[in-house]
Amino acid sequence: RKEVEQDPGPFNVPEGATVAFNCTYSNSASQSFFWYRQDCRKEPKLLMSVYSSGNEDGRFTAQLNRASQYISLLIRDSKLSDSATYLCVVNTGTASKLTFGTGTRLQVTL
Amino acid sequence: NAGVTQTPKFRILKIGQSMTLQCTQDMNHNYMYWYRQDPGMGLKLIYYSVGAGITDKGEVPNGYNVSRSTTEDFPLRLELAAPSQTSVYFCASSYISRTDTQYFGPGTRLTVL
Repeated sequence: RKEVEQDPGPFNVPEGATVAFNCTYSNSASQSFFWYRQDCRKEPKLLMSVYSSGNEDGRFTAQLNRASQYISLLIRDSKLSDSATYLCVVNTGTASKLTFGTGTRLQVTL
Repeated sequence: NAGVTQTPKFRILKIGQSMTLQCTQDMNHNYMYWYRQDPGMGLKLIYYSVGAGITDKGEVPNGYNVSRSTTEDFPLRLELAAPSQTSVYFCASSYISRTDTQYFGPGTRLTVL
């Protein structure tokens, strides 16, 4: 099983739609979780950290499910500008490092 | 603050040539990283540093070298470039630990022909 696994997509959704991505991780001892956003040919940028109790930032909601070892990202009222690749990032292993998923591509259309 | 800066933005090398990718951060971060990203793949850690004078290998260190003489700078050296090193290289930094939020530079697109 991969350390961090994501559906590559693409997810094609119309503007205004709600879309959700999941990401599974293999190490039950993982403690740090993030969602990063990467635009085409650009660097990854932090979108939000994921806390145990779940957290919200405007139209974005992140959830952590430790029992099933996955994190989720919900985007409400999608905008054209949300089109990007969303990277799931988890700390894994005894070396305490971050592992980046391969990303889920979102395309928001008119 | 400029954050993390990288030079050059683009570079084409011939097989067997060498080059240094520059990375500088002005956030006084202790931790710095070099990643490579191949098309459709996740970020792979090449080398990292936990402070000036201390570096360690990541997942894919072969063919690369690093040094960290100052807190701000973390250059990546490619010796004897090979086509397999064609990739986008990102430098990143973090403040508290290796599992803290990482801030990325804009990347260097390298092609080896």
